[in-house]
Amino acid sequence: NAGVTQTPKFRILKIGQSMTLQCTQDMNHNYMYWYRQDPGMGLKLIYYSVGAGITDKGEVPNGYNVSRSTTEDFPLRLELAAPSQTSVYFCASSPLGTSGGRLTDTQYFGPGTRLTVL
Amino acid sequence: ELKVEQNPLFLSMQEGKNYTIYCNYSTTSDRLYWYRQDPGKSLESLFVLLSNGAVKQEGRLMASLDTKARLSTLHITAAVHDLSATYFCAVLTQGGSEKLVFGKGTKLTVNP
Repeated sequence: NAGVTQTPKFRILKIGQSMTLQCTQDMNHNYMYWYRQDPGMGLKLIYYSVGAGITDKGEVPNGYNVSRSTTEDFPLRLELAAPSQTSVYFCASSPLGTSGGRLTDTQYFGPGTRLTVL
Repeated sequence: ELKVEQNPLFLSMQEGKNYTIYCNYSTTSDRLYWYRQDPGKSLESLFVLLSNGAVKQEGRLMASLDTKARLSTLHITAAVHDLSATYFCAVLTQGGSEKLVFGKGTKLTVNP
């Protein structure tokens, strides 16, 4: 298993440009997540998905969009890049493990994409 | 709204010493996760704590969860240089769609 893969690893964008961050997992996990990590901070949830065709906003969704057409892929779209979106972006997935109907399994993280908007 | 606080945020310790990192959270939860992050790398899962009183140990690290106090601890025994990293706790929200809320992390440096 490759686990969770992300592309690209690094990217520099100009203000107003658009791009898509790719995320793929080969573990057949239902749950997928996008986080951003700013320097010296923990991770903040941007969007998440509990299965193909189902997505929902996290804590900081403004300026981003997602789609989930397959179990494996969960791309994150930046439409009009702004300097405030300079960050490291992590994709994660977890299986539908439950205990009493509650999520129990840990999340598996991709290697991250370092994005700079100038 | 669930808030997660870790302390200390920075910890410099000598090899061979013991220390504890604390993770407090503000609303009820019984699911807590510890992760390790090396500089420039992704997050690696260390422990999953699923109930009150849960204790997990792996090598020189031991994690515990007290849901009544809303507190988890990560105890380091006889630290070695290889443990230098940033450690994050993350707490699962309860009710509705469950999500992880992360602390800011504790940057641990173990000096020879």
